[in-house]
Amino acid sequence: DVKVTQSSRYLVKRTGEKVFLECVQDMDHENMFWYRQDPGLGLRLIYFSYDVKMKEKGDIPEGYSVSREKKERFSLILESASTNQTSMYLCASTGQEYNEQFFGPGTRLTVL
Amino acid sequence: AQSVTQPDIHITVSEGASLELRCNYSYGATPYLFWYVQSPGQGLQLLLKYFSGDTLVQGIKGFEAEFKRSQSSFNLRKPSVHWSDAAEYFCAVGPPGGKLIFGQGTELSVKP
Repeated sequence: DVKVTQSSRYLVKRTGEKVFLECVQDMDHENMFWYRQDPGLGLRLIYFSYDVKMKEKGDIPEGYSVSREKKERFSLILESASTNQTSMYLCASTGQEYNEQFFGPGTRLTVL
Repeated sequence: AQSVTQPDIHITVSEGASLELRCNYSYGATPYLFWYVQSPGQGLQLLLKYFSGDTLVQGIKGFEAEFKRSQSSFNLRKPSVHWSDAAEYFCAVGPPGGKLIFGQGTELSVKP
């Protein structure tokens, strides 16, 4: 059974803190994605990665960075959290042959 | 520009009634099309997908969708809605193995 896991379901941080969101997939997928989800805006792509150490900016990369040191793990980093980064963060992965994306359960981040 | 539009932000149907959720897309190439469902506080689960072939596709939980190229639409249908179908539904389009573009989502409420 395919699985994408995220390190936390709920997270509360303070403005200015460095925040790490971790995502792990067990399907040997090449491609991994980070989205943020806000009411009325759907899912917006922050960053994605086609391979280890490879990354590309999505639609809203400002204020975020990513790291992919191992194939199964894709980390999202908020260098200095701000209140406008309060959101639901979803990680997904997919193989090269088709692009059905498998999603993790999400991390609801609140920045105070 | 590539885009996905879900015209209905919120729909309410009675249990046992039929359902149709609309999705229109703008995409330059042959689209890969998806419908995902998100229950409250959860990640996204794939309902069905269209890659090629028969334009009427069957998915999980009794859902189906029809691809109409001439109308650039991929509407989701279910003949009889159950209370457990209350959730948010997302339509998405994308290239093989690549980024998906998501619609804004349609929230479905089910009246007893």
